[in-house]
Amino acid sequence: AQSVTQLGSHVSVSEGALVLLRCNYSSSVPPYLFWYVQYPNQGLQLLLKYTTGATLVKGINGFEAEFKKSETSFHLTKPSAHMSDAAEYFCAVSYTGTASKLTFGTGTRLQVTL
Amino acid sequence: GAGVSQTPSNKVTEKGKYVELRCDPISGHTALYWYRQSLGQGPEFLIYFQGTGAADDSGLPNDRFFAVRPEGSVSTLKIQRTERGDSAVYLCASSSKGTRTDTQYFGPGTRLTVL
Repeated sequence: AQSVTQLGSHVSVSEGALVLLRCNYSSSVPPYLFWYVQYPNQGLQLLLKYTTGATLVKGINGFEAEFKKSETSFHLTKPSAHMSDAAEYFCAVSYTGTASKLTFGTGTRLQVTL
Repeated sequence: GAGVSQTPSNKVTEKGKYVELRCDPISGHTALYWYRQSLGQGPEFLIYFQGTGAADDSGLPNDRFFAVRPEGSVSTLKIQRTERGDSAVYLCASSSKGTRTDTQYFGPGTRLTVL
């Protein structure tokens, strides 16, 4: 079955440190890839997406992600964490033949400490 | 402009009761999705509408779950004979065309608690 794996349900970083949230997918064909962020009591908000073209994708709030086909990965990074980045982050994919529904990972909760 | 709205924000019901959850998509969006998010999990797809018709309902867990979108705008998710396992946050999303590259915009969700 096609799936999305997010390594680390909780990640803690210091303010100003690098943020790295991991996402791996299983697929025999290239998927379309998405990262969403969920703040408490708010809906999911799209951070960035990869469809075609450049494999390094830049999103909102200084986040970026790189699609690596050989590693079946789409890790999310941000050079310098800010307190306001504390939230739950979800990686998602859509696959050929599944219309446009998204398959989500289980999420990673990012904590930012002083 | 206005985003996706969902009502109610919270719903508490008793086992065996019937509930309806409403979603108002972004104006002009033809595609509408329902997902369910259980505690500690990512959202799981339930059903996808393109216009008035259900284009993919493969995620509905059983025949107690039903959704409609009669005029191609507002959608209602209906759950009959609720069970404690139905407790979750029900998320609605809409997108402009429903293609795989379209951004899906999510509402804040309805938290359903079945006692």
